[in-house]
Amino acid sequence: EDKVVQSPLSLVVHEGDTVTLNCSYEVTNFRSLLWYKQEKKAPTFLFMLTSSGIEKKSGRLSSILDKKELFSILNITATQTGDSAVYLCAVEAPPNTGNQFYFGTGTSLTVIP
Amino acid sequence: DTEVTQTPKHLVMGMTNKKSLKCEQHMGHRAMYWYKQKAKKPPELMFVYSYEKLSINESVPSRFSPECPNSSLLNLHLHALQPEDSALYLCASSQELGGAGTGELFFGEGSRLTVL
Repeated sequence: EDKVVQSPLSLVVHEGDTVTLNCSYEVTNFRSLLWYKQEKKAPTFLFMLTSSGIEKKSGRLSSILDKKELFSILNITATQTGDSAVYLCAVEAPPNTGNQFYFGTGTSLTVIP
Repeated sequence: DTEVTQTPKHLVMGMTNKKSLKCEQHMGHRAMYWYKQKAKKPPELMFVYSYEKLSINESVPSRFSPECPNSSLLNLHLHALQPEDSALYLCASSQELGGAGTGELFFGEGSRLTVL
């Protein structure tokens, strides 16, 4: 059965710390991996990764994909209280496999002032 | 316009009521989705429409009835719901199903449903 596993499930850090969130997957016919940030409402898009070893960067956030080892990491440097959220990883598979986007359970990040 | 708009934002209904959730996007996306999300859980896929046709139904009970009147609109009709159906219902859209990759899902703000 296809699945996406995120770790840790939750994390509490102090402002200024650097955090690394993990996402591993077992999905048939992988197409892409997406990271989302969810605060109180809808998930907001962060990154889409399709190729191994190419880092995507946006400000203090960066992400990279390893298609051989089947995982991705999301790094956040110099964390701020506004980074507190649930971070979701989703893997896209072809639609004829039934689901198309498989979501992990998320990592809940709390940044303490 | 890069938004997915959902209404209502909050809905409280009794188990005998009939209500509808609405979703609209004007990005020209041809795939639209309904997800259900319970507290502290990831979104669970309910339905996918591709080119206004239902392409995926994840074994959702018949008390949830989706409808796609046109390429910009997606409705979810609710009837005889149970308290355990209380959740955040998220609508999303993407460029299309199939091809080399769909790209990102664009999510609406969600409709928070409470069933009494």
